[in-house]
Amino acid sequence: QAVVTQEPSLTVSPGGTVTLTCGSTTGAVISGLYPYWFQQKPGQAPRTLIYDTSNKHSWTPARFSGSLLGGKAALTLSGAQPEDEAEYYCALYYSSAWVFGGGTKLTVL
Amino acid sequence: EVQLVQSGAEVKKPGESLKISCKGSGYSFTTYWIAWVRQMPGKGLEWMGIIDPGDSNTRYSPSFQGQVTMSADKSINTAYLQWSSLKASDTAMYYCARSYGGFWGQGTLVTVSS
Repeated sequence: QAVVTQEPSLTVSPGGTVTLTCGSTTGAVISGLYPYWFQQKPGQAPRTLIYDTSNKHSWTPARFSGSLLGGKAALTLSGAQPEDEAEYYCALYYSSAWVFGGGTKLTVL
Repeated sequence: EVQLVQSGAEVKKPGESLKISCKGSGYSFTTYWIAWVRQMPGKGLEWMGIIDPGDSNTRYSPSFQGQVTMSADKSINTAYLQWSSLKASDTAMYYCARSYGGFWGQGTLVTVSS
């Protein structure tokens, strides 16, 4: 079974740009794995920011974008805000099963 | 507006049974599979399995196969997750989520304690 990898923690300055990545131990992440990105703040349910690599929901702030980068899925935050401090999870879709990454704790400092 | 509304928090004793629910609205409930996700205290997200509300076809993660049962009643747009004999290690938040687009329920906290 694939293991999905994420950076355990990242720090970004307010107004800065940061890229979170999502890799797979089975090889390159491709669009056919339909990468998802979720944001979770303490005490809240996860919220989907990005689905199918780069599609946004109506509630996804414009400063978030999804892409494929160097064999991984990537979530780029441009112009970080204090309210973006959260845990971010990615998930890849293998044979009708989501496999979640371990999450990235993003600090805005 | 797509919504998934889950049943309320539960406190149970080890060995008891439990069934929690997830009611969908704002879309055709039988079109998309419903996933169940566990989050233990202070931990990450774990995919438990998925159910097709149209025909109740299920796929379980090997980690949860035989430990839980997923079901659905398409007449009332509701999916269920049930345990026949709870353990203390089942204490967690449980989320349902629509498979496409990633719409999440608000979560159901299950506490199992003697």
